[in-house]
Amino acid sequence: AQRVTQPEKLLSVFKGAPVELKCNYSYSGSPELFWYVQYSRQRLQLLLRHISRESIKGFTADLNKGETSFHLKKPFAQEEDSAMYYCALSDWNRDDKIIFGKGTRLHILP
Amino acid sequence: DAGVTQSPTHLIKTRGQQVTLRCSPKSGHDTVSWYQQALGQGPQFIFQYYEEEERQRGNFPDRFSGHQFPNYSSELNVNALLLGDSALYLCASSLELRKLETEAFFGQGTRLTVV
Repeated sequence: AQRVTQPEKLLSVFKGAPVELKCNYSYSGSPELFWYVQYSRQRLQLLLRHISRESIKGFTADLNKGETSFHLKKPFAQEEDSAMYYCALSDWNRDDKIIFGKGTRLHILP
Repeated sequence: DAGVTQSPTHLIKTRGQQVTLRCSPKSGHDTVSWYQQALGQGPQFIFQYYEEEERQRGNFPDRFSGHQFPNYSSELNVNALLLGDSALYLCASSLELRKLETEAFFGQGTRLTVV
């Protein structure tokens, strides 16, 4: 079954500390992995995708096919990073739907 | 460009009624997807429209239907509303020919409450 698992509903991290949001997926094909973010009172927006291999707002994510993981990391948390983060996958070769995890709320403590 | 716009922003309906939600895609986008986001959950794919036809469908009953117009805007219709249909409904637009390079843009959503 296609599934994206985010084990933490809430993650609280002190400002300046490292952040790691966990994501594991279950999929039989070759999916593309994403992280979406939703800041307070804003719409859901793409943060990064694994094929671009970019660092966005200091965040990076490495696709580990062996562990089927796509954890989101940032070395030094900032208060403006507080938001809801969703890990997601899609397989453009098969269909266009995006499968989302349940999300992790990241709370940066001052 | 206002991006993806959805209307209305909030809606309250009675069980058994029917509802229509509307979405205007981002300028230049031709594909519209609809998602349902229940409280505490991630968005779940309902269906996708391209060239005025339903191309993909998620695990939702036939009570959920849609339409895409020649200007690429789209409607989501839900018949015989149930209390469990209460959720945030998100519309996302994308560009078919460049889907590997571009991203899906989401609207602010319509909050549907069924009482």
